[in-house]
Amino acid sequence: DTAVSQTPKYLVTQMGNDKSIKCEQNLGHDTMYWYKQDSKKFLKIMFSYNNKELIINETVPNRFSPKSPDKAHLNLHINSLELGDSAVYFCASSQDYGYGYTFGSGTRLTVV
Amino acid sequence: KQEVTQIPAALSVPEGENLVLNCSFTDSAIYNLQWFRQDPGKGLTSLLLIQSSQREQTSGRLNASLDKSSGRSTLYIAASQPGDSATYLCAVNKMYSGGGADGLTFGKGTHLIIQP
Repeated sequence: DTAVSQTPKYLVTQMGNDKSIKCEQNLGHDTMYWYKQDSKKFLKIMFSYNNKELIINETVPNRFSPKSPDKAHLNLHINSLELGDSAVYFCASSQDYGYGYTFGSGTRLTVV
Repeated sequence: KQEVTQIPAALSVPEGENLVLNCSFTDSAIYNLQWFRQDPGKGLTSLLLIQSSQREQTSGRLNASLDKSSGRSTLYIAASQPGDSATYLCAVNKMYSGGGADGLTFGKGTHLIIQP
């Protein structure tokens, strides 16, 4: 199936740990993104990466780092996890100019 | 800084009614506007995309309009069904000449319940 897939679906971890979330898309899109949906369901962009340039949202702590081994993958590494990092993280991809936006099903991160 | 507001925050109507969801944005320098649907525990599904030069887009029972100069969009759902129950999100994509994108700016959504 053509899709954006992210793993794991659920992640429970202790404060201070380092964790990664993986994302892969087989749609041939040039741009991939990470979004964070907080407890109030508000969805905000964290990063976008369009195969040439990583665009970092300045409100994202530098404990968060995206890594893209190739155009089809954009992983999210989080260092020194804090309670406030608990949220649902969505990976997405699109063609240029936002056409064909496709979201993954989300990773629910719980920091205890 | 772009801000997107959606009204109402929640809406509950009987099945069969036509309804309108509203979205407003503060910066009219957008490239396009999209409406998404989010079901509980799921990702987002794109419903309609309207280019900044367009006035409306239609897909089945859904019709989205855009008035870029006034910073407003509406999503019209005709003959609502219980399966339409979900959260509807409006999002704008800024003008970007390089082909890439900074990502979408979302509203907080309208939580819609269609009563059978």
